[in-house]
Amino acid sequence: GEDVEQSLFLSVREGDSSVINCTYTDSSSTYLYWYKQEPGAGLQLLTYIFSNMDMKQDQRLTVLLNKKDKHLSLRIADTQTGDSAIYFCAEEGGGGNKLTFGTGTQLKVEL
Amino acid sequence: DVKVTQSSRYLVKRTGEKVFLECVQDMDHENMFWYRQDPGLGLRLIYFSYDVKMKEKGDIPEGYSVSREKKERFSLILESASTNQTSMYLCASSPDSPEYEQYFGPGTRLTVT
Repeated sequence: GEDVEQSLFLSVREGDSSVINCTYTDSSSTYLYWYKQEPGAGLQLLTYIFSNMDMKQDQRLTVLLNKKDKHLSLRIADTQTGDSAIYFCAEEGGGGNKLTFGTGTQLKVEL
Repeated sequence: DVKVTQSSRYLVKRTGEKVFLECVQDMDHENMFWYRQDPGLGLRLIYFSYDVKMKEKGDIPEGYSVSREKKERFSLILESASTNQTSMYLCASSPDSPEYEQYFGPGTRLTVT
């Protein structure tokens, strides 16, 4: 079955880069996603990557995909206090419109 | 902007009560989803629907049922609430596009006492 794993916590200093990692198991996934959840809110899509790409950059965000190792990462450059949130990776698969979410990584940005 | 609304932000119910959680989306999306979110477990899919009156079980459907009588509305029903159903419940919708981006509501924090 599908399983998406992330580390639970990450702490960085303001201005540093953050790297959040994710491993997934469904090699047939067409798209992989990063969502952000701020306190008391639902999830918001940050970015996604098509499975035939190995990198996607969007302003401060860089997504790297290693299909061989089934590893996805999200790099946030110049991390700000407003980036403090829970970050979820997700894979699409098992029926097209279903997503399987990871456990979420709580990012804490310290001054 | 896509808007997904949920009927309550906070709800407190007693064990054994029947609980209805309502979700409405305003973008004519075909697909709708109910998840529960628990610390350390991430989001787990309870049920989803890809069309009116259609429903599919997710990963943890036991103790829940759903209803989708209209395209914009997807209801989650706890037939007899139990304390282990205390959780954050998130509704989402998505169009039938290749990217399958899901749009989430703000969540309902349900406490069963």
